[in-house]
Amino acid sequence: GNSVTQMEGPVTLSEEAFLTINCTYTATGYPSLFWYVQYPGEGLQLLLKATKADDKGSNKGFEATYRKETTSFHLEKGSVQVSDSAVYFCALSVPTDSWGKLQFGAGTQVVVTP
Amino acid sequence: DAGVTQSPTHLIKTRGQQVTLRCSPKSGHDTVSWYQQALGQGPQFIFQYYEEEERQRGNFPDRFSGHQFPNYSSELNVNALLLGDSALYLCASSSEGVVFYFGPGTRLTVT
Repeated sequence: GNSVTQMEGPVTLSEEAFLTINCTYTATGYPSLFWYVQYPGEGLQLLLKATKADDKGSNKGFEATYRKETTSFHLEKGSVQVSDSAVYFCALSVPTDSWGKLQFGAGTQVVVTP
Repeated sequence: DAGVTQSPTHLIKTRGQQVTLRCSPKSGHDTVSWYQQALGQGPQFIFQYYEEEERQRGNFPDRFSGHQFPNYSSELNVNALLLGDSALYLCASSSEGVVFYFGPGTRLTVT
């Protein structure tokens, strides 16, 4: 079956530090990959996506590259802000197989301190 | 353009009761999925509706049922509530089944 594994949190960083959240996946077929962010008390917001190998998704200073050879989609940001404190979820879907059913990782909480 | 909306925001029910949650998809979207997010965990897929039919279902018991209306809005019904049903219920919509946009969720507490 399909699954997503992401690094456990919480990840605590100082403002302007470099952030990496590791995500690896197992999937049949050719998945699309996503990062969603959840701020306290809110629903999920799509942060970025990549639909094929070597694609790079980017948004709000965050980036992730779809690496088929290592089945990974690590999230990075060069300089975090306090407002980036949230829970980040890596997810995949295999549109041709499951009509876009999203399989999520467990989430990684990020805490950025001033 | 309004995004995905859900109602109510919060709900408190007693064990054994029934609950209905509602979702209006983003304009132009015809596919609605429901997810359950327990505290501290990732969302788990419940089911997906397309053209008023349940197209796919996750690993949830028959106590969980749904409906999609001609205007693409959707309801999630849960019967015989258990304490373990306490969670954030998220609705997500899409127009082509690739990118899903989520609503703010309904926080259900079962006492």
